[in-house]
Amino acid sequence: SQTIHQWPATLVQPVGSPLSLECTVEGTSNPNLYWYRQAAGRGLQLLFYSVGIGQISSEVPQNLSASRPQDRQFILSSKKLLLSDSGFYLCAWSRLLAGGGNEQFFGPGTRLTVL
Amino acid sequence: EDKVVQSPLSLVVHEGDTVTLNCSYEVTNFRSLLWYKQEKKAPTFLFMLTSSGIEKKSGRLSSILDKKELFSILNITATQTGDSAIYLCANRGGTSYGKLTFGQGTILTVHP
Repeated sequence: SQTIHQWPATLVQPVGSPLSLECTVEGTSNPNLYWYRQAAGRGLQLLFYSVGIGQISSEVPQNLSASRPQDRQFILSSKKLLLSDSGFYLCAWSRLLAGGGNEQFFGPGTRLTVL
Repeated sequence: EDKVVQSPLSLVVHEGDTVTLNCSYEVTNFRSLLWYKQEKKAPTFLFMLTSSGIEKKSGRLSSILDKKELFSILNITATQTGDSAIYLCANRGGTSYGKLTFGQGTILTVHP
């Protein structure tokens, strides 16, 4: 069965510090990978997606970047955090299903607080 | 731009009540509509709907899609305190990478 891991679970960082959040998937190959941010317990905003190693697309302009150095590893980074980067970051994976369905499975998330 | 709107934004009920959560959408080249339940951390998958008028059911939860009127509902009967959560609706449009557009979510609180 497939599992998705994220770490750390919680993080408190000062403004201007760097960031690295990691996501790994087990039990599947060549997944589509996604980073979302959720503010104040509401809807999810897609930040980045990746369809393969080294392939990253950004959905919204921001202070963050993403990388996919291995097939099942997805990293979210920042060189200098802003207060507005605080939030709950979720990684997800999917395989596109025949017929157009796209069930995404989410990791446990990282709660980031920037002070 | 794809858009998903959920209503109500929050709902407080007592155990045993039946609730209906709404999700309307605007999307280019519809592929599927998904419902998730989020308690404290990761959203967990509930249903995926691709065809109009076919009800999907899991225990006390059910959902149906109307592709003509561009909406879906999620029903929960005989609610329990364990149903308290954020319910998220998401729509997949016509992108090749399977992008989901999420609504704002409905916060459901069930009191004993």
